[in-house]
Amino acid sequence: GENVEQHPSTLSVQEGDSAVIKCTYSDSASNYFPWYKQELGKRPQLIIDIRSNVGEKKDQRIAVTLNKTAKHFSLHITETQPEDSAVYFCAREYGNKLVFGAGTILRVKS
Amino acid sequence: NAGVTQTPKFQVLKTGQSMTLQCAQDMNHNSMYWYRQDPGMGLRLIYYSASEGTTDKGEVPNGYNVSRLNKREFSLRLESAAPSQTSVYFCASSSWVTASNEQFFGPGTRLTVL
Repeated sequence: GENVEQHPSTLSVQEGDSAVIKCTYSDSASNYFPWYKQELGKRPQLIIDIRSNVGEKKDQRIAVTLNKTAKHFSLHITETQPEDSAVYFCAREYGNKLVFGAGTILRVKS
Repeated sequence: NAGVTQTPKFQVLKTGQSMTLQCAQDMNHNSMYWYRQDPGMGLRLIYYSASEGTTDKGEVPNGYNVSRLNKREFSLRLESAAPSQTSVYFCASSSWVTASNEQFFGPGTRLTVL
């Protein structure tokens, strides 16, 4: 189906620790998987994306991994900082649309 | 470039009133989208327009209509507002013909229906 399952719904970590958010999907036709960050009261903004022809992509402290066989992809944030506190959404391509997960509230405690 | 702009930022309606949310983008994108965001439910697609002259229903279209006025503008209309339509509405745009599929979001409209 279209849905994307995202876990966990909330995540609290200590500053400096790593955070991992996982998403699963069932439609094998998807080839594009973006992650969006939404700070309180702001609009969602793309932080990283991955296409199905690669298994991992990194951008400084953020990385995304994709397992197309198992139909799941994950966001990894290392050395978390207070400014990483936000809601994170995964999404997958569906036609020329995106289907979003329900979101993960990440709290980084200092 | 202003990116994606939305008006109004806030709106309070009474049940049964109508209103139109406006969205415009200056990035020459082909596709435009309207989402609603409710707590714990992520971003749900209401309607989208893959290209100028076309519109299609998304996941939650009931109670809404849209108009793709031209390539830049995509409006969302509530004909008879209901309390269940209290939400934050985001417009977004993207260009699926380039290598990037990134969707750019507007600042949102916070709508309360009493």
